[in-house]
Amino acid sequence: SAVISQKPSRDICQRGTSLTIQCQVDSQVTMMFWYRQQPGQSLTLIATANQGSEATYESGFVIDKFPISRPNLTFSTLTVSNMSPEDSSIYLCSVEEGAYEQYFGPGTRLTVT
Amino acid sequence: GENVEQHPSTLSVQEGDSAVIKCTYSDSASNYFPWYKQELGKGPQLIIDIRSNVGEKKDQRIAVTLNKTAKHFSLHITETQPEDSAVYFCATDSGGYQKVTFGTGTKLQVIP
Repeated sequence: SAVISQKPSRDICQRGTSLTIQCQVDSQVTMMFWYRQQPGQSLTLIATANQGSEATYESGFVIDKFPISRPNLTFSTLTVSNMSPEDSSIYLCSVEEGAYEQYFGPGTRLTVT
Repeated sequence: GENVEQHPSTLSVQEGDSAVIKCTYSDSASNYFPWYKQELGKGPQLIIDIRSNVGEKKDQRIAVTLNKTAKHFSLHITETQPEDSAVYFCATDSGGYQKVTFGTGTKLQVIP
């Protein structure tokens, strides 16, 4: 399966600031996904990011808060904007290999103070 | 949308015993059923999956069974080891456009 890396691995940010999370894959993939995992909870899909098109956001997530870029087939970024303590979570990117098979990066652990 | 229920939420077993985690889903059109293992501080790892054209799949000590009529599927881990301790998530394909919906997770503790 693809090797996926994320940067940063963790960060502590001030309320009102923004953080951009990078996701790098070692092979070209069409479908990339961004998830949020709140402490002790399951995974919630934020958006699907395909190269060359606008990201598709799930209900409850908006582009102004979570802008996503997908400039090529191996890279994507997720920005968490105007952060509040409620944004403290693990943010995960994943890629699809084969029908519906998703492989995840190690995650970015965000704490907002 | 799809609803995936997972039980139990926590499970403690003695090393060497078997562990079983069960998920039920609502969408009869679901055809893909993966299981993920998430160790502390890591991203989820796909450990086994099954598609609706088979009823059971095994990979060494882990197996997944699927009952499409009853809309449930289960993860079976035999001869558990301390390194099996983790949170396990089931999932199903749902909502179209290549998405999957995750269960609520089961924290498995294997006691040496």
